[in-house]
Amino acid sequence: QQPVQSPQAVILREGEDAVINCSSSKALYSVHWYRQKHGEAPVFLMILLKGGEQKGHDKISASFNEKKQQSSLYLTASQLSYSGTYFCGTGGGADGLTFGKGTHLIIQP
Amino acid sequence: GAVVSQHPSWVICKSGTSVKIECRSLDFQATTMFWYRQFPKQSLMLMATSNEGSKATYEQGVEKDKFLINHASLTLSTLTVTSAHPEDSSFYICSARDDRRPGNTIYFGEGSWLTVV
Repeated sequence: QQPVQSPQAVILREGEDAVINCSSSKALYSVHWYRQKHGEAPVFLMILLKGGEQKGHDKISASFNEKKQQSSLYLTASQLSYSGTYFCGTGGGADGLTFGKGTHLIIQP
Repeated sequence: GAVVSQHPSWVICKSGTSVKIECRSLDFQATTMFWYRQFPKQSLMLMATSNEGSKATYEQGVEKDKFLINHASLTLSTLTVTSAHPEDSSFYICSARDDRRPGNTIYFGEGSWLTVV
């Protein structure tokens, strides 16, 4: 079952914040976040393994609410380099990841 | 630097011919690799799971006789698109699971653009 991402797209000015949500109708055991630039392969951002976990890298962080079966990615003080399509992936382990449809993020100067 | 390498980056082939794409894990052994396909402006769709030393597991709707997968070593998986047709033109991406990482982090190769003419 494909996770649901929202919003589908967001346009920000440089320095603004954004939140991308990922939810699943199935129980989640881990959530993987990736960013993909046009014409390139996805780049791993972070993985959240258990409910309540929060992680951060530079100004990008994420949370995982296991009970609500959802995860959120937070981009703070966005930079032009943050532009791209963000995917959350669920599953993993022995199985491949199932990705949401993606959230297109456009950062304007 | 890249931990998963994919080759070729792009390939053009004639309709009816076959093309092979290689996926290598560079600094770790990957017992499991995954092959995805991505059409323009769409999400990544899992095609198959490649398991070292055993047969690949294909997702529903993916023809195993058309998309041949071989995982001959712990660092190499290959995808061969046989009798390619224009509708097979797509971005093919492999990924490898790093069992050393928490949660079995999955890294992607650079992707291969296939154009069938």
